[in-house]
Amino acid sequence: KNEVEQSPQNLTAQEGEFITINCSYSVGISALHWLQQHPGGGIVSLFMLSSGKKKHGRLIATINIQEKHSSLHITASHPRDSAVYICAVGGSQGNLIFGKGTKLSVKP
Amino acid sequence: NAGVTQTPKFRILKIGQSMTLQCAQDMNHNYMYWYRQDPGMGLKLIYYSVGAGITDKGEVPNGYNVSRSTTEDFPLRLELAAPSQTSVYFCASSRDSYSPLHFGNGTRLTVT
Repeated sequence: KNEVEQSPQNLTAQEGEFITINCSYSVGISALHWLQQHPGGGIVSLFMLSSGKKKHGRLIATINIQEKHSSLHITASHPRDSAVYICAVGGSQGNLIFGKGTKLSVKP
Repeated sequence: NAGVTQTPKFRILKIGQSMTLQCAQDMNHNYMYWYRQDPGMGLKLIYYSVGAGITDKGEVPNGYNVSRSTTEDFPLRLELAAPSQTSVYFCASSRDSYSPLHFGNGTRLTVT
């Protein structure tokens, strides 16, 4: 069974800081997802990746398949980035295993 | 496009009652999923479907049933509700297993 561990569980940052959230998993996967859950509860897909690195605006996601590790970076953080960030890993059937999430709070 | 639409947003059930959570998507996605989210825990897969007429159990299927008679709709049925089913339920869809997920806004269910 795949285990997904995220760190840190909680993170408080000052506006403008560079933020890193980590995700480790225990067995091979076909894809890794990063999701954002807003304070109101809605969930949005940020990235899906199976190798290398992806960038969207101030967000960067990387994955190291050999080390079974992924990171989500936020550059020039802003209070509107405050949310829970969730890592999920999946097999070929699309059934994902989710981490418990990292709660990020960015203070102005 | 409305994306993934879930109804209702909130519901309170008494123990032993039944209800159906509705989920519809207008993106012609083949894959649809039902998850539950409990406080402090990651989302858990209840059931999923890879196309109309095909459903399969996820990690926590007990106490639930699903059907997929059309590509668009994937209702989740709770029979004989129990307090352990108090949770937030999310429906999601994707084009295939290698595509991003699209989530509904969730249904907050309380069983008392």
